[in-house]
Amino acid sequence: EVQLVQSGAEVKKPGESLRISCKGSGYSFTSQWIGWVRQMPGKGLEWMGRIDPDDSYTNYSPSFQGHVTMSVDKSITTAYLQWSSLKASDTAVYYCARLASSWYGSPWGQGTLVTVSS
Amino acid sequence: QSALTQPASVSGSPGQSITISCTGTSSDVGGYYYVSWYQQHPGKAPKLMIYEVSNRPSGISNRFSGSRSDNTASLTISGLQAEDEADYYCSSYTSSSTHYVFGSGTKVTVL
Repeated sequence: EVQLVQSGAEVKKPGESLRISCKGSGYSFTSQWIGWVRQMPGKGLEWMGRIDPDDSYTNYSPSFQGHVTMSVDKSITTAYLQWSSLKASDTAVYYCARLASSWYGSPWGQGTLVTVSS
Repeated sequence: QSALTQPASVSGSPGQSITISCTGTSSDVGGYYYVSWYQQHPGKAPKLMIYEVSNRPSGISNRFSGSRSDNTASLTISGLQAEDEADYYCSSYTSSSTHYVFGSGTKVTVL
């Protein structure tokens, strides 16, 4: 079974750093891109960008460029999303998804809730 | 890149058919076959329902169908069931620097 399993919920203070993870299994991890999506409380889905697990090439949405960093460790079939300095406005659920070449995501991870509060 | 435009809500009675629209531009919905639809129940991850405008993934009921006309894509749910009550999002590849964009989302209510 193809699966993406994300790390658990996090509670952080403004200014702190954070890395969340997304572990793929059941398929060739380096054969398809991983995309990241933000969903703020009560809001819709927002595209953050994607990473190629084979060579770590990234495309960031302009709205997120410079504020988050995507990375992978293909030896453990895991993708990461990280922040160096969190803001309260980063409070959201973050999803990873396996991205097909024709730009659809399936499957999705279960989501990681990130809460940033002083 | 603004979100694709969807109606905020659509409702129908059990057994009826409903259609959700998704309006973009020739730079996204109208320009590529890379339109997909996702279903999201409260507190759950999105689930792919339609890809490449009108293709259903394995395991998705044939009550769900997708189509496109010019810059507007549509998702039709026929034989509406209580379990179809959820939020639905369209998405598309875009030639803008964003590369990918979601719709604003539609809440489907089964009366």
